[in-house]
Amino acid sequence: EIVMTQSPATLSVSPGERATLSCRASQSVSSNLAWYQQKPGQAPRLLIYGASTRATGIPARFSGSGSGTEFTLTISSLQSEDFAVYYCQQYNNWPPSITFGQGTRLEIK
Amino acid sequence: QVTLRESGPALVKPTQTLTLTCTFSGFSLSTSGMCVSWVRQPPGKALEWLALIDWDDDKYYSTSLKTRLTISKDTSKNQVVLTMTNMDPVDTATYYCARSYRGVGAFDIWGQGTMVTVSS
Repeated sequence: EIVMTQSPATLSVSPGERATLSCRASQSVSSNLAWYQQKPGQAPRLLIYGASTRATGIPARFSGSGSGTEFTLTISSLQSEDFAVYYCQQYNNWPPSITFGQGTRLEIK
Repeated sequence: QVTLRESGPALVKPTQTLTLTCTFSGFSLSTSGMCVSWVRQPPGKALEWLALIDWDDDKYYSTSLKTRLTISKDTSKNQVVLTMTNMDPVDTATYYCARSYRGVGAFDIWGQGTMVTVSS
């Protein structure tokens, strides 16, 4: 099973600043990596797939990069609605064996 | 508009079997490449993928839970059903169903989730 490790566990950033979240895979997942945002009491929302492609309706301030084992989600200028928990997910294999990271909590500084 | 909605019991007893239904609209699970998965999330914890069924009725399971899970579909009713046997308090979680496509395994649409508590 591919293990996904996210860092940091909690990130404190001020509104308007840039946030950088990391995700590492225990083995290469090529570009088969997605990012989700989850707010309390809500289902996750897809932000990025294919490591760098924004999902429909996602603002341009969200960007993803990386391939292989190292990935980054960058939020260029934090808005109040961006404070949430973010998960990465790999979907490298078929038949699928899908795994998520443990999440990064993005909080207001 | 694509929607998914989970339904099932809110409370089950230890050792019982859980049956959850995902009812969806706005797409067909008979369309080539279409997939529906179940994902769960214990309170305050991370997401865990459980099972996937695809348009061709192929089924895939989490390695750690495969002996307890069965996923099936009823294309005519636009439903996907998950059963989990021998429930334990550690299975207490919100259970989500979500859509994906073969080749793009990200989940683009999620249901709102259903909370299941395992307690005697």
